[in-house]
Amino acid sequence: GAGVSQSPRYKVAKRGQDVALRCDPISGHVSLFWYQQALGQGPEFLTYFQNEAQLDKSGLPSDRFFAERPEGSVSTLKIQRTQQEDSAVYLCASRGTGKTGELFFGEGSRLTVL
Amino acid sequence: AQTVTQSQPEMSVQEAETVTLSCTYDTSESDYYLFWYKQPPSRQMILVIRQEAYKQQNATENRFSVNFQKAAKSFSLKISDSQLGDAAMYFCAYRSFLNFGNEKLTFGTGTRLTIIP
Repeated sequence: GAGVSQSPRYKVAKRGQDVALRCDPISGHVSLFWYQQALGQGPEFLTYFQNEAQLDKSGLPSDRFFAERPEGSVSTLKIQRTQQEDSAVYLCASRGTGKTGELFFGEGSRLTVL
Repeated sequence: AQTVTQSQPEMSVQEAETVTLSCTYDTSESDYYLFWYKQPPSRQMILVIRQEAYKQQNATENRFSVNFQKAAKSFSLKISDSQLGDAAMYFCAYRSFLNFGNEKLTFGTGTRLTIIP
């Protein structure tokens, strides 16, 4: 596609529910990143994929957070048993090949946990 | 671990004037990249300008330029001839040169820029 697409743009969940956030990167982009942006803060790194391999998941805040990219294109970030502190904007970004390849961000998914 | 600090939560500037946004960072590495990103209300982060630490020359992109002071670990963004479309959150970000391929960025807390017509 023309840009990074994320869905849903807005999600309201009750505490304890599971949610799934989808990211469609730019076609052909090898690298894919998830960031979490709390209100009034800068984005914080969650995890990184190169093709289907998850090479870095050091930013995932707990074992309730899980990300996958099974075919090396679309990625899903899943949050189990959501808690109020999970409320944030979840940003996805992709990058093509090349040493100084620019990161392209989607518009994010805003999750509100009640 | 690297840290990025933006000490100006909010800034405002008259349309057509010049404004400078501040950023400092802390790192023990000698090679790295620094970035300024713009985030409008649509939430999509847009790259404004990039600086490689090994380059002494300050990066420029049209009305946007940086003042990179490596020894002081300072990386400010200057916006000349400010336009209404420049209104947004601006984030300074750091990336290690060593992690080629893993574009893990460390962001500051942002500066909200308002343009006064």
